[in-house]
Amino acid sequence: VQLAESGGDLVQPGRSLRLSCTSSGFTFGDYALTWFRQAPGKGLEWVGFIARNFYGGTTDYAPSMKGRFTISRDDSKSIAYLQMNSLKTEDTAVYYCTRAVQWLGRYWYFDLWGRGTLVTVSS
Amino acid sequence: DIQMTQSPSSLSASVGDRVTVTCRASDRINNYLNWYQRKPGTAPKVLIYAVSNLQSGVPSRFSGSGSGTDYTLTISSLQPEDFAVYYCQQSHSTPWTFGQGTKVEIK
Repeated sequence: VQLAESGGDLVQPGRSLRLSCTSSGFTFGDYALTWFRQAPGKGLEWVGFIARNFYGGTTDYAPSMKGRFTISRDDSKSIAYLQMNSLKTEDTAVYYCTRAVQWLGRYWYFDLWGRGTLVTVSS
Repeated sequence: DIQMTQSPSSLSASVGDRVTVTCRASDRINNYLNWYQRKPGTAPKVLIYAVSNLQSGVPSRFSGSGSGTDYTLTISSLQPEDFAVYYCQQSHSTPWTFGQGTKVEIK
C-alpha cells in the first residue's frame, strides 16, 4: 500500500509544472486525496483536496493556490495530478500526496503519505 | 484561517519518561484534531485522529485528549523510537492547518 509522487523539477517563475501521484495496493477510487507541501525551513501547508468521484470529484484549494493550481484524478489509472501554473519562487517546496480518510463521515485525517517530490522555482 | 500553536517547540526527555505536547487552536475546532509523528527524511505518520482515536498499529503508549481549543498528546513511557517531531493538525475547516511541530529529543 503506497503512494508515490513524481514530476518535481527546477522551473522558472511563471512557468507550469504537473505533478503525479501514483498509487498501489488499494482501491484508489475509494479515497479522497490531498496535496500538502513543505517549503525549506517552513511548516507543513495544505495545498488542496479532491473528493472521490462518487462524490463528484469536488476540489478545494488553499487561498494562495486557488486559480493557479488544479487537482484532478484518473481512477482508471490510479493516478492523481497537481497542475501548477504561474509558479512563484515561494512555491518552492517538497510536495506530498496523501490519502484522506473521513471517519464517521465527519473527521478527515491523512493515513498514507508519499515520500514527496521537490519543486524548485527559480530563475 | 485557524492557527495551531504547539508547546513546547522542543523538549528533552529520557527513555521511560512521560511526555506531554500541547496544541492550541485559534478558534474552537470541535475535536477535529489529529496528531502526526515525523522522523528525519520521512513523511508524517498519523498517530491519533479526532482527538483520541489511535490509528491502527500505533502503540497504546500514545494517547490524546482535549476539547474546544486545547488538545494534548501524551506518550506514557517514551521509547527510543519515539524521538521525532510531533505535529497537530486541524480538519475543522479549510485551509487545514498544522502546528509548527514539537521536537522530542534525547536527554
